[in-house]
Amino acid sequence: GAGVSQSPSNKVTEKGKDVELRCDPISGHTALYWYRQSLGQGLEFLIYFQGNSAPDKSGLPSDRFSAERTGGSVSTLTIQRTQQEDSAVYLCATFLGKGGYGYTFGSGTRLTVV
Amino acid sequence: AQKVTQAQTEISVVEKEDVTLDCVYETRDTTYYLFWYKQPPSGELVFLIRRNSFDEQNEISGRYSWNFQKSTSSFNFTITASQVVDSAVYFCALSEWDAGNMLTFGGGTRLMVKP
Repeated sequence: GAGVSQSPSNKVTEKGKDVELRCDPISGHTALYWYRQSLGQGLEFLIYFQGNSAPDKSGLPSDRFSAERTGGSVSTLTIQRTQQEDSAVYLCATFLGKGGYGYTFGSGTRLTVV
Repeated sequence: AQKVTQAQTEISVVEKEDVTLDCVYETRDTTYYLFWYKQPPSGELVFLIRRNSFDEQNEISGRYSWNFQKSTSSFNFTITASQVVDSAVYFCALSEWDAGNMLTFGGGTRLMVKP
């Protein structure tokens, strides 16, 4: 597609439930990132996929968070047993090539845990 | 470890005023990239500029200009003759060559341009 597509755009879930957030990257973009933006805060790196390499999970805040990328394309971020502090906007970004040039962000998924 | 600081959390100006958003960064790498992104109320991050560490030439794009100074580790962003549509949160970010290219963001500066 022309841009990075994220779904759902909004998600309200009850505390303790699991949620899945989806990112459809730009076709051909080899690198994919997940970031989290809490209310009034900056963006926090979560996880990074580059081609077939093992993902960089160093930013995941707890073992309740996991992500996968199937076939080098679509990525799913899963949060298990959601907590209220997980409420945030989750942003996906992809880019082509090394050096950070050409990052494209999706519109994000706004997650609210009640 | 890298760090980006945007000391101004919120700036309010009147339309047509010039405004400069400050960005100071820390990195141990000699090769790195600096970015500015705009986040309007719609929430999507809009890429504005990328600058690599070997290119200190200032850049102007319409009403936007950027001043990169390695000596002070700063990458400031100036909007000339601000407009209401410039109201947004602006993020400065750093990507180190050896850090998997992840972006480290500053805390953002909320710019409010009043008519």
